[in-house]
Amino acid sequence: SQKIEQNSEALNIQEGKTATLTCNYTNYSPAYLQWYRQDPGRGPVFLLLIRENEKEKRKERLKVTFDTTLKQSLFHITASQPADSATYLCALETGGYNKLIFGAGTRLAVHP
Amino acid sequence: GAVVSQHPSRVICKSGTSVKIECRSLDFQATTMFWYRQFPKKSLMLMATSNEGSKATYEQGVEKDKFLINHASLTLSTLTVTSAHPEDSSFYICSAAGPNTEAFFGQGTRLTVV
Repeated sequence: SQKIEQNSEALNIQEGKTATLTCNYTNYSPAYLQWYRQDPGRGPVFLLLIRENEKEKRKERLKVTFDTTLKQSLFHITASQPADSATYLCALETGGYNKLIFGAGTRLAVHP
Repeated sequence: GAVVSQHPSRVICKSGTSVKIECRSLDFQATTMFWYRQFPKKSLMLMATSNEGSKATYEQGVEKDKFLINHASLTLSTLTVTSAHPEDSSFYICSAAGPNTEAFFGQGTRLTVV
């Protein structure tokens, strides 16, 4: 069955540094991969989508890479701010448009 | 981005009663809606997929008689937890997608069964 792993459960970094979160998957070749932000007690908020034929995508301070050979996506937040503190989820399309399976998430804490 | 409204945001109910959660797409027509549940510090687990006007497709291990899903219009899907028990307490989240759009998530419903 498909399996998604996100690196650490929690990541602590200093304000201004770049946060790098990892998403690895097995037993599947998704057409696209998405990253979401989730704050406590709230639903996920869509951040970025990257397709299998795209290597990299950027949006403001966010950058996502997608390596279909390694079956890995990296999510970067540059010049991180305390307001970036949240849980970040990666999700794979799985056999149906917008039908997603999610990783467990990485909780990011950015300290001033 | 598009807005998906989920109601109620929190509900407490007695064991044995049924609870209905609504998911509305406010500014687009949602041809497909998805229902997830999430336990603390865990991943979102897909429960079912519903397409407007047809029966929902449930994921393996999800009891369709326990979690009734109705997608009667292009802007509304409902999830009814029937005969709720404490183990049904969880965070339930819906998402909605139109044709050729990404899915947008509701703000979630915290269900507590006492």
